[in-house]
Amino acid sequence: KNEVEQSPQNLTAQEGEFITINCSYSVGISALHWLQQHPGGGIVSLFMLSSGKKKHGRLIATINIQEKHSSLHITASHPRDSAVYICAVRSKPGGSEKLVFGKGTKLTVNP
Amino acid sequence: NAGVTQTPKFQVLKTGQSMTLQCAQDMNHNSMYWYRQDPGMGLRLIYYSASEGTTDKGEVPNGYNVSRLNKREFSLRLESAAPSQTSVYFCASRWDRGNTEAFFGQGTRLTVV
Repeated sequence: KNEVEQSPQNLTAQEGEFITINCSYSVGISALHWLQQHPGGGIVSLFMLSSGKKKHGRLIATINIQEKHSSLHITASHPRDSAVYICAVRSKPGGSEKLVFGKGTKLTVNP
Repeated sequence: NAGVTQTPKFQVLKTGQSMTLQCAQDMNHNSMYWYRQDPGMGLRLIYYSASEGTTDKGEVPNGYNVSRLNKREFSLRLESAAPSQTSVYFCASRWDRGNTEAFFGQGTRLTVV
């Protein structure tokens, strides 16, 4: 079982819909990252969370440390939101810190 | 505001050829990383460097070498490329004090034929 599981793997939505992408992890973490990758493009950090909730424009990220679960929400989705969204957790197994990545959720928003 | 710069963006190699992927960051970050991204898999750590002059193996180091030339630059070398090394490579950096975000380069798409 992967340490970081994302769902769904693929998501297609109509413009304007509310989007939720989920991330579950099985290790103790110091922080969780949500990243965005456009087709053929680089990776951009959207959020870094260690507790609670963060909001940036139409994007909202939440984390529940007890349940080892995080969600990324996109309100009023737009075709330009089409990208792969990646969840990554920062953990410290044996004292050496590392980032463990989920496989990503491919989001397509149709006009 | 360059952030993390990787070169080249694309490369095609023949099996057995060597090449070096370059990465530079202008944010004065201590830690730098090299990842590979393959279809259906999450990013996997090849090597990382916690500070100038130090490097450590990640999850998939075989077939690669790295060099932390100075605080800004962290290069990844393939001495004898193999088709299994066809991948997209990302360099990243971060300030390693506390919980800070990582910054990624644009990626290098490498094909080994």
